[in-house]
Formats: sequence, structure tokens, C-alpha cells
Amino acid sequence: GENVEQHPSTLSVQEGDSAVIKCTYSDSASNYFPWYKQELGKGPQLIIDIRSNVGEKKDQRIAVTLNKTAKHFSLHITETQPEDSAVYFCAASNQAGTALIFGKGTTLSVSS
Amino acid sequence: GAGVSQTPSNKVTEKGKYVELRCDPISGHTALYWYRQSLGQGPEFLIYFQGTGAADDSGLPNDRFFAVRPEGSVSTLKIQRTERGDSAVYLCASSLSRGRGNTIYFGEGSWLTVV
Repeated sequence: GENVEQHPSTLSVQEGDSAVIKCTYSDSASNYFPWYKQELGKGPQLIIDIRSNVGEKKDQRIAVTLNKTAKHFSLHITETQPEDSAVYFCAASNQAGTALIFGKGTTLSVSS
Repeated sequence: GAGVSQTPSNKVTEKGKYVELRCDPISGHTALYWYRQSLGQGPEFLIYFQGTGAADDSGLPNDRFFAVRPEGSVSTLKIQRTERGDSAVYLCASSLSRGRGNTIYFGEGSWLTVV
């Protein structure tokens, strides 16, 4: 089955710096890759997603890149702000499209 | 409501007791999912419903866990003979339909503590 690896597990940056989180997946049949942000005591909230027919997608300060050959995808946050501090999860769809397989998460801390 | 609604938000139960967790998906969403999230981990898939039927229950850990969605809307996750290892956040999610690429929206979760 699908396996998703995510790193780093923790990331500390200064306000205004960029942050990059990387994920790899194992199932070449996966073709949907969302990123979720989770704040303490809340459910995961979708921030951006990418489908396999696209190599890059951008939404304001957030961008995601996908390399299907290498089976890895990355989240890029530019001009980080303290409110970006949270746990970020990458995920990949399973082959049947019935479930998302999540990474273990990255705790991002942005200090002002 | 606008989002996925889950009740209760918190539940403390004694080992061996029976627990029910309820999920009300976004109106019009035919696909419904249950996930479990332990402390410091990512959500783990439990079960997926398309309409009333459980189309994929491969993530249920054992036969103490069961879920229903009798009318294709509200779903209930049922846990029998609870164990301390069942303590986790149980997340419900929904999407318009099945399929890779349909955005999946999560609720706030039900925090279950088994003492």
C-alpha cells in the first residue's frame, strides 16, 4: 500500500523567511496530493492541493511542487508570519481513491 | 451548517464501555470518511462510505470498530469494549464524491479518552 514520508518533523524560521517541507510517496498510481494545516485542538484544514497532471501550483504565499518521476512533492511558504505556526501534513491518495495516506507532520514555528 | 460537524467534541469513558461518535457531513457530500489521529501522528484512515455503503473498511483495526451511515448522510462510529489504546482523536471528513482530486474537508474531531 501507499506510504508517505515527511520531513523535517520540526522547522523553526524567523518571520519573513521561507519554509520548505518535503514529502515522498511510494505508490506510483497516486495522483492527488493535498496539504493540510492543523492548529492545536482543531481538525486539519486544506491549504493547497495538486493533481498529477500539474507540476506546480501557487496560491499567494503558498506553493506546491510535484515530481512524479521521483515521487516527491514539496510545500513552500514564503514571507512566513507568526500565524503560519502550526502542524502541516502532506498526503497522497491511495490507488482506489478511497483514502488519503498522511505523513507524520511537520511542526512549523515562526518567531517574530 | 457550513462544515463537517462532530459530536461529542470530548468523551471520557471507562475501559470496556461502548462508545458512539457522530458525524454530520457537509450538505450534499456523498462521500464520508473516518480517520483516527493519535498524539503526534498524522490521521490514519479507518473507513470510507459512498452513500449508505461502506465502500472501503480496510482501515478498521479490529472487529470492535464498526460504522454505519443508514440514510447516506449522518454517520456513527461505534467502538465496543473500549481499550486504553483506543484513546485518540476521531476525525470525520466528507467530499462531494469519491475520487482522487475531490477535496476532502475535515471536522474538528471527537477526542476520546479511555481510562
